[in-house]
Amino acid sequence: AQKITQTQPGMFVQEKEAVTLDCTYDTSDQSYGLFWYKQPSSGEMIFLIYQGSYDEQNATEGRYSLNFQKARKSANLVISASQLGDSAMYFCAMSRHNTDKLIFGTGTRLQVFP
Amino acid sequence: KAGVTQTPRYLIKTRGQQVTLSCSPISGHRSVSWYQQTPGQGLQFLFEYFSETQRNKGNFPGRFSGRQFSNSRSEMNVSTLELGDSALYLCASSIPTGENTEAFFGQGTRLTVV
Repeated sequence: AQKITQTQPGMFVQEKEAVTLDCTYDTSDQSYGLFWYKQPSSGEMIFLIYQGSYDEQNATEGRYSLNFQKARKSANLVISASQLGDSAMYFCAMSRHNTDKLIFGTGTRLQVFP
Repeated sequence: KAGVTQTPRYLIKTRGQQVTLSCSPISGHRSVSWYQQTPGQGLQFLFEYFSETQRNKGNFPGRFSGRQFSNSRSEMNVSTLELGDSALYLCASSIPTGENTEAFFGQGTRLTVV
């Protein structure tokens, strides 16, 4: 069975610093996708970044990068130059090939302070 | 380009009633998935629809049902509401291409059962 583990319930980071949010996953599939979403207090899930299991390069989207280590089954999110607006819940998720069903982790609450 | 639209945003219902939630995907997206988010259980997958067919179903009782129309809009219905059904219900849309793809979420419907 697939599983996503986020071991950090909460993280603090100072504005303009970088922060890494951890995510490990468990799957026996060869083809899968890994996602990170941001959920502000308003509730909307905002897509941040996607990594395919066959992608050899780490995904990057602006200030977000995904540190994909396939052998270790980890997909950590790195946010560079944190901003106050980055304060939110962050969820790591995984999907299987040929399905859009997402398995989510429990989330990490990030708080950025001035 | 309009995002995923969920209506209504907020809903208060009484135990025993039924409720219908609506999701309009991004134009051109043919896959719609539904999730329930509660503080205790986190984000849980409800169902996934593609081309009016249910492709996957989560582990929820039969009181939870859904459907997708020919224009890809989707509805989910919960009958005989229970207090525990109080949650944020999120809908996601994507373009299934056979490979894992990004899923974009709506703002959710916050259901309160009293």
